[in-house]
Amino acid sequence: GQSLEQPSEVTAVEGAIVQINCTYQTSGFYGLSWYQQHDGGAPTFLSYNALDGLEETGRFSSFLSRSDSYGYLLLQELQMKDSASYFCAVRDSQTGANNLFFGTGTRLTVIP
Amino acid sequence: EAGVAQSPRYKIIEKRQSVAFWCNPISGHATLYWYQQILGQGPKLLIQFQNNGVVDDSQLPKDRFSAERLKGVDSTLKIQPAKLEDSAVYLCASSRGGEPLHFGNGTRLTVT
Repeated sequence: GQSLEQPSEVTAVEGAIVQINCTYQTSGFYGLSWYQQHDGGAPTFLSYNALDGLEETGRFSSFLSRSDSYGYLLLQELQMKDSASYFCAVRDSQTGANNLFFGTGTRLTVIP
Repeated sequence: EAGVAQSPRYKIIEKRQSVAFWCNPISGHATLYWYQQILGQGPKLLIQFQNNGVVDDSQLPKDRFSAERLKGVDSTLKIQPAKLEDSAVYLCASSRGGEPLHFGNGTRLTVT
């Protein structure tokens, strides 16, 4: 099966930098994804790491270390609109279907 | 491009009643997913279609849940009979295969 662990809540100040960690256990790892979800909204894709290292997309960066089964999402220059839930998700080939399994999410609150 | 369309947006039913949800994926997306998201948790995969064939339904409670994807486009998810624990948001997502998944706004089901 799969398991993912991430902090349940994080609070940070507007303009600051915040890092959301994710550790995972899976038998057929293909990649680690990050999704953002505002209250009442749909999850939206942020980033995907299949190989070790850092991927940067604007204010957001995502890191993966496959040997440590660990990744993180880094949000820079925080804005109030970044207040949302952030989910890490692993693509797992165990079932042969290459499905995406989500963690329980980290609720980020950005304060002025 | 138009996003993933889902209906209804909200549904309230009594336990033991039946309910159906509809999803229209993004045009050209061969892969369609149904996820269940209970409040405060991450999305949980129920079923994955590739075109009109089921790729993975290992987490679908088949005694009460059913899903179909007609002609490899629209999909319906049905619950019969509903239980209180089925109260959740039902998210439909589509992709060309792999990342990213594009989610609809979901159907919020309340079972009383």
